[in-house]
Amino acid sequence: QKEVEQDPGPLSVPEGAIVSLNCTYSNSAFQYFMWYRQYSRKGPELLMYTYSSGNKEDGRFTAQVDKSSKYISLFIRDSQPSDSATYLCAMSAASGGSNYKLTFGKGTLLTVNP
Amino acid sequence: ETGVTQTPRHLVMGMTNKKSLKCEQHLGHNAMYWYKQSAKKPLELMFVYNFKEQTENNSVPSRFSPECPNSSHLFLHLHTLQPEDSALYLCASSHPSSGRPPDTQYFGPGTRLTVL
Repeated sequence: QKEVEQDPGPLSVPEGAIVSLNCTYSNSAFQYFMWYRQYSRKGPELLMYTYSSGNKEDGRFTAQVDKSSKYISLFIRDSQPSDSATYLCAMSAASGGSNYKLTFGKGTLLTVNP
Repeated sequence: ETGVTQTPRHLVMGMTNKKSLKCEQHLGHNAMYWYKQSAKKPLELMFVYNFKEQTENNSVPSRFSPECPNSSHLFLHLHTLQPEDSALYLCASSHPSSGRPPDTQYFGPGTRLTVL
């Protein structure tokens, strides 16, 4: 079983739709959960991070973590064409001196159509 | 220039060539990373440098040779590569800390490498 599973898509939605992106993981030591956004021909940029279980909201974006199910989600409300990008989930156990080690999913390619 | 820059942006090389990728960060960070991003695969961490010292080599073949002359510059020297090494090579930097949460890593735009 891979450590992090993420459906690569592609996912295509109309403008204004609610988008749900998900990852599952197997390593129960993961405590920090991140979502990166990668536009075409650019490097990934950190969108949101969450510690342990719970929700975090930032504008149109909401990150959810369910550690009991080993499942994380990113919701995008009122999606815009500018949200079209690849979304990568990443996780870290952040123990000892290895707090830089991130385990990434494959990324989901999202297209929001005007 | 701001952020993390990488040159060249695109590189095509033969299997017998020797080339180098360059990364420069203008963020005052002390940790730098090389990642490999292949189609349909997760990002793979290759090397980590903290304060110019290599602290991670993720079982990378010796045909990839990193160099970190100072905290702002990172190179990846390439020689005798294979076609399966074709990928996007991303550089990142962060300000290392022993605290939590994990250091935020700032990525460059990557070098798209094609090995013929």
